[in-house]
Amino acid sequence: QKEVEQDPGPLSVPEGAIVSLNCTYSNSAFQYFMWYRQYSRKGPELLMYTYSSGNKEDGRFTAQVDKSSKYISLFIRDSQPSDSATYLCAKNSGGGADGLTFGKGTHLIIQP
Amino acid sequence: SQTIHQWPATLVQPVGSPLSLECTVEGTSNPNLYWYRQAAGRGLQLLFYSVGIGQISSEVPQNLSASRPQDRQFILSSKKLLLSDSGFYLCACTGGGETQYFGPGTRLLVL
Repeated sequence: QKEVEQDPGPLSVPEGAIVSLNCTYSNSAFQYFMWYRQYSRKGPELLMYTYSSGNKEDGRFTAQVDKSSKYISLFIRDSQPSDSATYLCAKNSGGGADGLTFGKGTHLIIQP
Repeated sequence: SQTIHQWPATLVQPVGSPLSLECTVEGTSNPNLYWYRQAAGRGLQLLFYSVGIGQISSEVPQNLSASRPQDRQFILSSKKLLLSDSGFYLCACTGGGETQYFGPGTRLLVL
């Protein structure tokens, strides 16, 4: 089982809809979670990070963590065509300098 | 805030040729630095990380190597490229805590 699982999509929704992106993880150690947005042929851009269960909001984006079910989500409100990108969830792999473990990413398409 | 530079942006190399990709970081000191590879359909794979000058940890055994000659410089190298080395190479650095910030990437095509 992969440590971080993510549905690759594509996920296509109409402009203005609420988008829900989800990941599951298997290793409960070192629970620091991040969401990245990656446009085609660009480096990933950090959107949000959290280490707590519950919700964290930043503008149109809300990150949600449910540690009991090992489930993390990213919600996008009032989705825009400019939100079309691949969204990557990640968690830290260990303490200290260890790198991140990424899901494979969900390709999101917002239809105008 | 930190800025990460990578070059070249795109590279086409023949099989068996050497490789040198460079990453430099501005706006921070003594960062942890990382090299990832992103292949189509396979997600981001951590290749190397470094906590300081001359300190390199390898995550995946392969024909690639990394070096950190200066605090904010990280280099990815190969003596002989394989077809399987094709991919999108990303340099990242820590930004405080566990978060990592990525550079623009180098797209490598080995023919």
